[in-house]
Amino acid sequence: QSVLTQPPSVSGAPGQRVTISCTGGSSNIGAGYNVHWYQQLPGTPPKLVIYNSNSRPSGVPDRFSASKSGTSASLAITGLQAEDEADYYCQSYDTSLSGYVVFGGGTKLTVL
Amino acid sequence: QVQLQESGPGLVKPSETLSLTCTVSGGSISGYYWTWIRQPPGKGLEWIGYFYYIGSTNYNPSLRSRVTISVDTSKNQVSLRLNSVTAADTAVYYCARGPSSSGWADFWGQGTLVTVSS
Repeated sequence: QSVLTQPPSVSGAPGQRVTISCTGGSSNIGAGYNVHWYQQLPGTPPKLVIYNSNSRPSGVPDRFSASKSGTSASLAITGLQAEDEADYYCQSYDTSLSGYVVFGGGTKLTVL
Repeated sequence: QVQLQESGPGLVKPSETLSLTCTVSGGSISGYYWTWIRQPPGKGLEWIGYFYYIGSTNYNPSLRSRVTISVDTSKNQVSLRLNSVTAADTAVYYCARGPSSSGWADFWGQGTLVTVSS
């Protein structure tokens, strides 16, 4: 059971907008810690797409954006493309048990 | 461009110690949180821990009693040791570079599969 909860799967047609939620609690997102997002294509390592809740690394298209509110965060992808089909993971910091880094369980994005 | 390459045995026997090395090229060890993350086959990511270049560490509470992460700055290498392994430790192990204690990682190795089996 992951500390951060993500839906197992989401889907959307090309060109559409999809969002992926990440729900935490008072010891992580709700405590003000930033949320980071990764994209993982099959057989490859995760790739950072959002860090510090809403910043994009160089080279990540601006179709990717994210937000945070309360104990939850979300990743939004607009203008969905076939190449966006991947697993997406959120990550944050949790203050319980002396503090450690936590991941969500991952969400499989299917482009219809 | 920073590159990370994991290396080590692909097969470890139950109860033995898993040892992996991550060689960093194209960048310095200094200033970063050197992180290990693993992914069991078909499952999600699990943060193992990190070593901050000045010598501090932080580990996943579920692995804290069995794990050690260290850095050899002279060789630009990051090491992972996980004791008393079981089949549940079978996973792809990734080495990653983190600019922040909050855990995000901007460069990752390709990962190495370690299978625990007799």
